[in-house]
Amino acid sequence: AQTVTQSQPEMSVQEAETVTLSCTYDTSESDYYLFWYKQPPSRQMILVIRQEAYKQQNATENRFSVNFQKAAKSFSLKISDSQLGDAAMYFCALGGADGLTFGKGTHLIIQP
Amino acid sequence: EAGVAQSPRYKIIEKRQSVAFWCNPISGHATLYWYQQILGQGPKLLIQFQNNGVVDDSQLPKDRFSAERLKGVDSTLKIQPAKLEDSAVYLCASSVRTHEKLFFGSGTQLSVL
Repeated sequence: AQTVTQSQPEMSVQEAETVTLSCTYDTSESDYYLFWYKQPPSRQMILVIRQEAYKQQNATENRFSVNFQKAAKSFSLKISDSQLGDAAMYFCALGGADGLTFGKGTHLIIQP
Repeated sequence: EAGVAQSPRYKIIEKRQSVAFWCNPISGHATLYWYQQILGQGPKLLIQFQNNGVVDDSQLPKDRFSAERLKGVDSTLKIQPAKLEDSAVYLCASSVRTHEKLFFGSGTQLSVL
């Protein structure tokens, strides 16, 4: 079975600063994918960033980047220049043979 | 490009009643998923379809939940009879293939009283 753990129920950051959300996972597979999804109050899950496990290079999407440590099974999300619109729940997810498994989420608060 | 459509947006029922949710995925997406998201938790996969065939329904409580995807397009998720613990948001998602980017609908929030 695959598991995803997000140890930070809530994080707070000042607008324009940088914040890092943590995620660890466990899987016995060698071929898998990792994702960060954002869920605003509208409830719709929005893909933020995707990483293939076979790629060593960390994925980047504009202000969002990941630190993928395969040996440590760690997949953190860094948000640079935080904006008010970044406030939401953030879910780390692992995609493997068992489908997509989500963590419990981190509530990100942006302080103006 | 139209997104994943779900209805209804909200539903309130009493325990032991029946309820059905509808999902229309993005055109051309072969894979369709139903997730249950209980308040304060991440989404949990209930069932995954590839076209009109079931790929994974290991976490679907089959004594009360059922789902179908006729003709490999729209899908319906049914709960009969509902229990208090079924109160949750039910999310539908679709993707071109498994492991590809999932597109989610806005979900149906179910309250069982």
